[in-house]
Amino acid sequence: AQKVTQAQTEISVVEKEDVTLDCVYETRDTTYYLFWYKQPPSGELVFLIRRNSFDEQNEISGRYSWNFQKSTSSFNFTITASQVVDSAVYFCALTDNDYKLSFGAGTTVTVRA
Amino acid sequence: DSGVTQTPKHLITATGQRVTLRCSPRSGDLSVYWYQQSLDQGLQFLIQYYNGEERAKGNILERFSAQQFPDLHSELNLSSLELGDSALYFCASTAPGQGSSGANVLTFGAGSRLTVL
Repeated sequence: AQKVTQAQTEISVVEKEDVTLDCVYETRDTTYYLFWYKQPPSGELVFLIRRNSFDEQNEISGRYSWNFQKSTSSFNFTITASQVVDSAVYFCALTDNDYKLSFGAGTTVTVRA
Repeated sequence: DSGVTQTPKHLITATGQRVTLRCSPRSGDLSVYWYQQSLDQGLQFLIQYYNGEERAKGNILERFSAQQFPDLHSELNLSSLELGDSALYFCASTAPGQGSSGANVLTFGAGSRLTVL
């Protein structure tokens, strides 16, 4: 069975602070895919990143960066110099090859001006 | 705008009723997925269709059914509604050729918020 744990329910920061969202996953598969999605207050789910289990390279996209560590089954997400527009719920998700995305419970990030 | 269109955006109905949620995938996408987001269960996969055929099934109740039509739009039918069915229902789609891979990047619609009173 696959499981994604996002232990942080809510994080509140002041603008320009960095914020790191933790994601720990469980799977028995050797091939799997990890995702992060953002759900802003408007409600839609927005894709941020996909990573496969064979690619442990960290990735940076603007103010967003991701740290994938297979040894600890973690795929953490950092927002650098946070902005009010970053306020949203962030979901980590996992799938092997059975079409079903298993989502974590989500972390609500609030960035205060 | 993600290109995935869901209607209605909001729906309020009573227990025991039946509703239909509609989804139009992005132009050219062949796969459609339905997800349910509720406070107690979080985001749960319900069902997937690929080019009109059911491809995978998740935690979908027997009271719920779905189909994908030849024009690739999909409908999710919810019947004998209960209070616990109140949720945000998402449709997502993926591009051709991605329907057979777990690496799918799903593009989600804005969701249909169902309230059962």
